[in-house]
Amino acid sequence: DGGITQSPKYLFRKEGQNVTLSCEQNLNHDAMYWYRQDPGQGLRLIYYSQIVNDFQKGDIAEGYSVSREKKESFPLTVTSAQKNPTAFYLCASSAGLAAYEQYFGPGTRLTVT
Amino acid sequence: SQELEQSPQSLIVQEGKNLTINCTSSKTLYGLYWYKQKYGEGLIFLMMLQKGGEEKSHEKITAKLDEKKQQSSLHITASQPSHAGIYLCGAEISSGSARQLTFGSGTQLTVLP
Repeated sequence: DGGITQSPKYLFRKEGQNVTLSCEQNLNHDAMYWYRQDPGQGLRLIYYSQIVNDFQKGDIAEGYSVSREKKESFPLTVTSAQKNPTAFYLCASSAGLAAYEQYFGPGTRLTVT
Repeated sequence: SQELEQSPQSLIVQEGKNLTINCTSSKTLYGLYWYKQKYGEGLIFLMMLQKGGEEKSHEKITAKLDEKKQQSSLHITASQPSHAGIYLCGAEISSGSARQLTFGSGTQLTVLP
């Protein structure tokens, strides 16, 4: 079955620690994205990648970092510099950046205390 | 203010009733996507609209994009409890080479049995 997986589903961390969220896809998609969703709000774009070894900042990139060493994988690191890291994080992929449906993973809920 | 406004924010309807959710922008929408989300889960793609005046239907859900490509509506006929969830519109607002999806804040739909 093709799809996007995110792990873990729930993640708890202490303030001041970096944490890495996993995102893997086997859809052979070129483009991958990370979004953050807060209660009552839509999705906000953190980072996106059009191709391996290339990625661009989205609207709220501060305090986050990503890598794209493999086509299938686009991990997101939430650093201690992110002031409000507690949120629901969604990863997505699409065949390309323009006019293509984005497929979403199940999400990771990160809680930082 | 949000680039993509969704209304209403929440909707409670009796099973069997029809309902409409709107998604509006002051900018031209180069692609309009409707997604459904169950709380705490990823997004499920419903429909994509690109041309002004375009209308698509899937089962009891119909989505339209107006001629000016600045407003879309999602209409559910004879709603069922299975329709409950959060409906999100996402749109490509810029026409540059690196198109990204901007999302509305979502409409929480509750269908009472």
